[in-house]
Amino acid sequence: ETGVTQSPTHLIKTRGQQVTLRCSSQSGHNTVSWYQQALGQGPQFIFQYYREEENGRGNFPPRFSGLQFPNYSSELNVNALELDDSALYLCASSLGGQGPNEKLFFGSGTQLSVL
Amino acid sequence: EDQVTQSPEALRLQEGESSSLNCSYTVSGLRGLFWYRQDPGKGPEFLFTLYSAGEEKEKERLKATLTKKESFLHITAPKPEDSATYLCAVQAPGTYKYIFGTGTRLKVLA
Repeated sequence: ETGVTQSPTHLIKTRGQQVTLRCSSQSGHNTVSWYQQALGQGPQFIFQYYREEENGRGNFPPRFSGLQFPNYSSELNVNALELDDSALYLCASSLGGQGPNEKLFFGSGTQLSVL
Repeated sequence: EDQVTQSPEALRLQEGESSSLNCSYTVSGLRGLFWYRQDPGKGPEFLFTLYSAGEEKEKERLKATLTKKESFLHITAPKPEDSATYLCAVQAPGTYKYIFGTGTRLKVLA
């Protein structure tokens, strides 16, 4: 059973640029969520995808967007990067059907630094 | 507003010195309270889910309990390898969003 993998592990961008982060979900999982974790904070929900459709979004501006592909892998895109976007971006997968109380399986994250 | 608050922010223990971490929450209609462990540079790792007041779950030196307003993570006779950040989360009602606390950074000294 393969776990959740994210790439790249580290990334440095400058303000105003665009970035794409990638995630492969755990085998058998069809739901992917993205979280932003600033230093010393808990993860903050960005959005969730279930079977290629976005089915939940947190308080993040439209410049944060995503995709889920037929193999259930996912991308997080951030346009017009700002300094405050510097954070660890976590992808989490879970079993489908997404009723409540689904435990999340996290990847190791992508550390994004915006200069 | 749905909210999760963890205390203390940081905790240093000697090996073998038992203690408890607190997670208080305000959410209408709790659908589950989750504990995760996060090591530096890694994503959170699932530990427990608790669903109703009075429920308890154990795993090795860890025991999680739940009341109507808070949860405790009890650590009995901790070892240095228990050093990590422990995160608590609840699922917001009517959504798929999990609300995390800021975590407790635990350091166990040999």
